[in-house]
Amino acid sequence: RKEVEQDPGPFNVPEGATVAFNCTYSNSASQSFFWYRQDCRKEPKLLMSVYSSGNEDGRFTAQLNRASQYISLLIRDSKLSDSATYLCVVNIPQVTGTASKLTFGTGTRLQVTL
Amino acid sequence: DTEVTQTPKHLVMGMTNKKSLKCEQHMGHRAMYWYKQKAKKPPELMFVYSYEKLSINESVPSRFSPECPNSSLLNLHLHALQPEDSALYLCASSQVGTVSGANVLTFGAGSRLTVL
Repeated sequence: RKEVEQDPGPFNVPEGATVAFNCTYSNSASQSFFWYRQDCRKEPKLLMSVYSSGNEDGRFTAQLNRASQYISLLIRDSKLSDSATYLCVVNIPQVTGTASKLTFGTGTRLQVTL
Repeated sequence: DTEVTQTPKHLVMGMTNKKSLKCEQHMGHRAMYWYKQKAKKPPELMFVYSYEKLSINESVPSRFSPECPNSSLLNLHLHALQPEDSALYLCASSQVGTVSGANVLTFGAGSRLTVL
C-alpha cells in the first residue's frame, strides 16, 4: 500500500461547482497534514494545513479523520483560476530532532470550465 | 519573490558531465530537501538535511551527491547521469521539530534538468 494515496482524477467541473478531494495515508504516527496546489510547470505552493478540528479558508475547507486515516479538501464555488493539481502531503516522523519525511500523494488534477 | 532560490533554472548535460544544482534560503529554516519530479507525477523525496546533517536518503543512486555547506545552502552534485534522470529538481526548506511552521515546505522554482 502506498504511504499516501489520492483520487487520480482528472476532475472536470463547471464554474460555481463544489468539488471534493480525498487522500488516505497509511502511517498512523503521522501528525501533520497539508494540501498543496501546483500549477503546470511551477513549484507546489501551500494551500492550507489541515488541523484535527477541521479548518476553513474562504472557499476551501479541509478535514482530517484520524480514525479512518484520511484527509479531505472541499472547494466551493469553483473558479477558473482553481484549475491546478492538488497534492496532499503527510509527514512521517523520524528520529527526534530531525525533519520529518514529507510524502506527497499522487495528486488530483482539477479543470474548471465555463 | 520566492524565498528559496534555485540555480540554474535550466540545465542540459551529457552523460559524462559533472554539474551541480544550487539552492539557497534565508528564512532560518534548519531542514532542507531535494525532491525529483517527473512530468505528471508528484514530487518524490530524494534527500533531507536536518541541522546541516543528512538525515534521510531515499536510496538515491550515488550519481546524485548532496551537500549542505551551511544552514542556508544546499547543493546537488550530478555525475554520470542517465537520460531517465531528466526531471524537475525541487529544493525546499522548513522548520524542524514542534515549532510553528514545522513541516511546512517552502519550495524553490526548481531546476529543469535534461540529460542527453
